[in-house]
Amino acid sequence: GAGVSQSPSNKVTEKGKDVELRCDPISGHTALYWYRQRLGQGLEFLIYFQGNSAPDKSGLPSDRFSAERTGESVSTLTIQRTQQEDSAVYLCASSVETSGAIHEQFFGPGTRLTVL
Amino acid sequence: AQSVTQLGSHVSVSEGALVLLRCNYSSSVPPYLFWYVQYPNQGLQLLLKYTSAATLVKGINGFEAEFKKSETSFHLTKPSAHMSDAAEYFCAVSITGGGNKLTFGTGTQLKVEL
Repeated sequence: GAGVSQSPSNKVTEKGKDVELRCDPISGHTALYWYRQRLGQGLEFLIYFQGNSAPDKSGLPSDRFSAERTGESVSTLTIQRTQQEDSAVYLCASSVETSGAIHEQFFGPGTRLTVL
Repeated sequence: AQSVTQLGSHVSVSEGALVLLRCNYSSSVPPYLFWYVQYPNQGLQLLLKYTSAATLVKGINGFEAEFKKSETSFHLTKPSAHMSDAAEYFCAVSITGGGNKLTFGTGTQLKVEL
């Protein structure tokens, strides 16, 4: 079966522009996560969706960042008015439902965002 | 809040030598611990995980890790390094009730030399 896919694989944009990053989770996975990996740093949690529950947005660094998820399917991470410090690899992961247990997260290949 | 510290951003070993990658965690509740590997231009792949069962956890590709509560450590080892083990390794922690979100260390780049 297909793994987690992300598009685009690379995105170069100018400072101040908006960008949208897409994630297609593994079919049947109700949980979806976004992480950010800046150069020389570990992965930072951004946001988490679990089924119909309200998303956990506690990791979003500013109100320029937002994400949506359509049902238990595709998710889009939007960054408005991009800044150079937003340059990073954005990783999406999915897992089976997480109520009361810890499950493996499967990661996509990431989107490399470069803000000029 | 939980956190992870990986000692050594770069580790170099000879092929056939022992691999030891260090990870220490901080958590106010019993943690779940993970090691992920990232090969160049690929996504993260789970090597192994500790979920409060056996303290010695065996993973893929001959790797294993031991959970030591007294030392708050979860070091990753492999008896004999192979060239194909060259990659970046991330330790991560999660807690129940935390929504399964992972808190990662800064990673250790493993280099394997002939």
